[in-house]
Formats: sequence, structure tokens, C-alpha cells
Amino acid sequence: NAGVMQNPRHLVRRRGQEARLRCSPMKGHSHVYWYRQLPEEGLKFMVYLQKENIIDESGMPKERFSAEFPKEGPSILRIQQVVRGDSAAYFCASSLVTGGNEQFFGPGTRLTVL
Amino acid sequence: ILNVEQSPQSLHVQEGDSTNFTCSFPSSNFYALHWYRWETAKSPEALFVMTLNGDEKKKGRISATLNTKEGYSYLYIKGSQPEDSATYLCALSYSGGGADGLTFGKGTHLIIQP
Repeated sequence: NAGVMQNPRHLVRRRGQEARLRCSPMKGHSHVYWYRQLPEEGLKFMVYLQKENIIDESGMPKERFSAEFPKEGPSILRIQQVVRGDSAAYFCASSLVTGGNEQFFGPGTRLTVL
Repeated sequence: ILNVEQSPQSLHVQEGDSTNFTCSFPSSNFYALHWYRWETAKSPEALFVMTLNGDEKKKGRISATLNTKEGYSYLYIKGSQPEDSATYLCALSYSGGGADGLTFGKGTHLIIQP
């Protein structure tokens, strides 16, 4: 029973490039959440998705960031034209149902922007 | 802006001693409180999800209590062991608006000294 999978675990990009982070939720989970941990900060909510729908993106920066969770395949967090300030650890979590239920976290992707 | 406060920020405890730390939060629109244990280079691991005022939950030597009226939760560790060394995160989910992303505190970093 595999947990939440994220890849890559480490990603290095130069300023201006695109970063794509993938998240495969636990089997049977249809709710996915993305969080970001900036250096010296706590985990901050970015976006909550169900299959093919963005439910809440209130924590997502308005520009350059987008997320999707297609009917088939993993959820993708996409950052266009990365800047040094995007360097952070990005965590994905999934849950069986929503409404305060337990969220299971993946190991994270550490993005470094040179 | 919802503020989840955890104290202390870090804690050194002798092996075998018991310890506890606090999570404080605004009590309005409370839905659920989550405790996570996070070891370096691993995924945050869910410990408890608590929803009802007066809730008490226990898992082995770790237990937690919840007071939603005054807005705090305590996490207790009895007879600390070196493997308890980790960062303990508190996170809240709030009702209203359909937002189910968790609001995290910055954590209590616990170090058990042999």
C-alpha cells in the first residue's frame, strides 16, 4: 500500500526555466493538497484539488504558478519562469475524503533555483 | 489571517522524562485540529485528528487533548525516548468557504538527550 509519491525529490532549475512537480496520491484518494515550505518558515497551504477540479487556490501566487489533477495520472504543480524566491520544499498531501479528515503527506520535492 | 501558535519553539528533554507542548489557535470557525510528527528528510506523519471539545487521544506514549472554547491543544509524551526526537506540527482546518487546506504552526522541535 504505497503512500503519497512525489517526484522528483530534488529539482534544480535556472532562473527563467519551468519547474514541474508531480504528486501521486495514495490509492483511492481523490483529494490532493499542495503546500510550500520556504526557508525558515512553516508549511503554507497553496492549493486543493479534486479530480479535474481546482477547489481552492487561495494560497497560490497569482502569477507563474498553476496546478492540475487530471482524470488519469498524477497531480502536477507547475511553476513557470522560476525565480530564486521559488526555492523551497513543496509537499503534496492526499486524503480519502475532505472536511477535516486526515491528510497523508508525501516526502516533498526540494526545488533549488540557481 | 489565521494564526496557529506553537510553544515552545524548541525543547531539550532528558531521555526518560515526560514532556508536553502547546498549540494555540483562534477558536471561531474551528473544524478540526491535526498533530503531525516530522522527522528530518521524511514525510510529516499524522498522529491525531481531533474535532470535539474535550477530546483526548492516545497512541502509545503520546497523547493529546483539545479545548476548542479557549483555543488550545496539548501534546504529551510520556517517558521520552531518543526516537521521539522530531518536529511536532499542529495544524487547523476551519469551516466555511469550502477551504480544506490546513493552517500550520511553525512546530516544536523536540530533542531527546540520552
